[in-house]
Amino acid sequence: GAGVSQSPRYKVAKRGQDVALRCDPISGHVSLFWYQQALGQGPEFLTYFQNEAQLDKSGLPSDRFFAERPEGSVSTLKIQRTQQEDSAVYLCASSLARGNNEQFFGPGTRLTVL
Amino acid sequence: LAKTTQPISMDSYEGQEVNITCSHNNIATNDYITWYQQFPSQGPRFIIQGYKTKVTNEVASLFIPADRKSSTLSLPRVSLSDTAVYYCLVGNNAGNMLTFGGGTRLMVKP
Repeated sequence: GAGVSQSPRYKVAKRGQDVALRCDPISGHVSLFWYQQALGQGPEFLTYFQNEAQLDKSGLPSDRFFAERPEGSVSTLKIQRTQQEDSAVYLCASSLARGNNEQFFGPGTRLTVL
Repeated sequence: LAKTTQPISMDSYEGQEVNITCSHNNIATNDYITWYQQFPSQGPRFIIQGYKTKVTNEVASLFIPADRKSSTLSLPRVSLSDTAVYYCLVGNNAGNMLTFGGGTRLMVKP
């Protein structure tokens, strides 16, 4: 079956530009997570959805970061007025239910801000 | 969340058994130990999870001593394709986010 997909795989943005990153989770998965992974480091949690409800956004680094999952399936991570420090790989993961430590990750979107 | 400590890197050769040990001295009673694998340009992939003693699946074994303050991921007869970063995570299944550390970069040589 299809896994988690993300688009685009690569994004180059000029500083100050807005970007939108898309995540298609595994069908039927209730939980959806966004992580940010800097080069050479482990992924860091950004935000979590259970269906369409955003239950935890404590990891979002600033108010320039916004995530939504309006119909409880596809999710979009939006970054406004991108800065160079936003350059990273953005990973999306889904799991069947909350409380399940087996999360299925997509390939990520590599964002480069010039 | 319990903090984990694991070696930054390890080298091995094809066909050898590789053991990666993770320390988690302040693990809580209801915490599980989970290992993920990450290849370059891919997202992490779940390998194995355990609570105590030994767990084995088709990919790896996980050894957890009685005090649960450490755990060892064992990869039997590694191949070049096992070259990856391996992350040890500790947390309870009632949580939501995963907390990754720096991971262990395993390099398998021919």
